Amino acid sequence: DTEVTQTPKHLVMGMTNKKSLKCEQHMGHRAMYWYKQKAKKPPELMFVYSYEKLSINESVPSRFSPECPNSSLLNLHLHALQPEDSALYLCASSQIPGLANEQFFGPGTRLTVL
Amino acid sequence: AQKVTQAQTEISVVEKEDVTLDCVYETRDTTYYLFWYKQPPSGELVFLIRRNSFDEQNEISGRYSWNFQKSTSSFNFTITASQVVDSAVYFCALSDRNSGNTPLVFGKGTRLSVIA
Repeated sequence: DTEVTQTPKHLVMGMTNKKSLKCEQHMGHRAMYWYKQKAKKPPELMFVYSYEKLSINESVPSRFSPECPNSSLLNLHLHALQPEDSALYLCASSQIPGLANEQFFGPGTRLTVL
Repeated sequence: AQKVTQAQTEISVVEKEDVTLDCVYETRDTTYYLFWYKQPPSGELVFLIRRNSFDEQNEISGRYSWNFQKSTSSFNFTITASQVVDSAVYFCALSDRNSGNTPLVFGKGTRLSVIA
């Protein structure tokens, strides 16, 4: 299984809602990543989990809260988002953290905040 | 600081034409890795290739080929006999030991449109 899956594919939420994005991989990878991508821009790194521990937080606002329940799952909890948070949210994984390891991406969740 | 430049924002070609996507990188490290990813309209980034700084051999995979030249800090990507399914945004990316908090430094991407 060489796939990273993400649910939901699309999400529309109001600014007062609480929702979660889910990511799953069964490749035995020990590093997982959340990226945010705005239209016509490259992905921007948000968080990195290394061996189920948060290792990088790129100064992301606290209304985004990541969680790694186990080595296969990665969640992104959303609360009190702003319209400018509307974007494609991509999850990725790599075998281990490190510069040599290619990241494999999921199909993304397209988030719209009203 | 690390930097990846993809000077071509958008390219449009007719099917069966060959097309080259340019990528120029900057790094002070002697050990680094270069990547190409394809992002079709569906949104998923698809890994295409990884090349390390010690291996300057060019690579061919079907209609895809990559030309890595350290002398010009370039890692260009050529699609031969392009097809409509090649239409996508292509990102070049760099990873080195100074990437620190950013495991992958992406270029801004090149949008390729292949017209039937």
